[in-house]
Amino acid sequence: DTEVTQTPKHLVMGMTNKKSLKCEQHMGHRAMYWYKQKAKKPPELMFVYSYEKLSINESVPSRFSPECPNSSLLNLHLHALQPEDSALYLCASSQPAGTQYFGPGTRLTVL
Amino acid sequence: AQSVTQPDIHITVSEGASLELRCNYSYGATPYLFWYVQSPGQGLQLLLKYFSGDTLVQGIKGFEAEFKRSQSSFNLRKPSVHWSDAAEYFCAVGIMNYGGSQGNLIFGKGTKLSVKP
Repeated sequence: DTEVTQTPKHLVMGMTNKKSLKCEQHMGHRAMYWYKQKAKKPPELMFVYSYEKLSINESVPSRFSPECPNSSLLNLHLHALQPEDSALYLCASSQPAGTQYFGPGTRLTVL
Repeated sequence: AQSVTQPDIHITVSEGASLELRCNYSYGATPYLFWYVQSPGQGLQLLLKYFSGDTLVQGIKGFEAEFKRSQSSFNLRKPSVHWSDAAEYFCAVGIMNYGGSQGNLIFGKGTKLSVKP
């Protein structure tokens, strides 16, 4: 089973809202990733967690706050977003330095 | 610096015709190479990967890719395209970070495949 699940599928939020994206995998992977993908562009890496510790933050604005409560779960907390943050947010997981498997994504629209 | 180039932004092929999508990479060490496919509004699905060994790798959905070190290429091929293959295709190189605790992906800009009936 190579399934990564993400909820919600779609999210619309205002610029003053607080919301969270959730990602889950049960493959025993110890690395988890958040990517942002704008239309007609490749995914851009935002954060990497390795063994539940944040190991990479690609200079992402503080209005995005990741959290890894355990080895199966990854959250992305959103606060005071801007319209330009509207995008497809993808989660992925892998064994250390292994193949990344992606979830279906959350389509985020910021009004 | 590591980079991946997909020279073709958009390719149109007829259903049943053969397909080759090009990918060139720049990386100082032996690369881990991947091809992913993405349908509109969906996540990325792994088609195939190359880590080492046989330079011709087979993937899902009848796709294959060949690693050519001398040309720094990892081109994707399919002998007969089906209408359901219409999608965006991303080539990526995986690089090690921080003692190999995780690998990051450097993506090409993608090639959009359209299939004519």
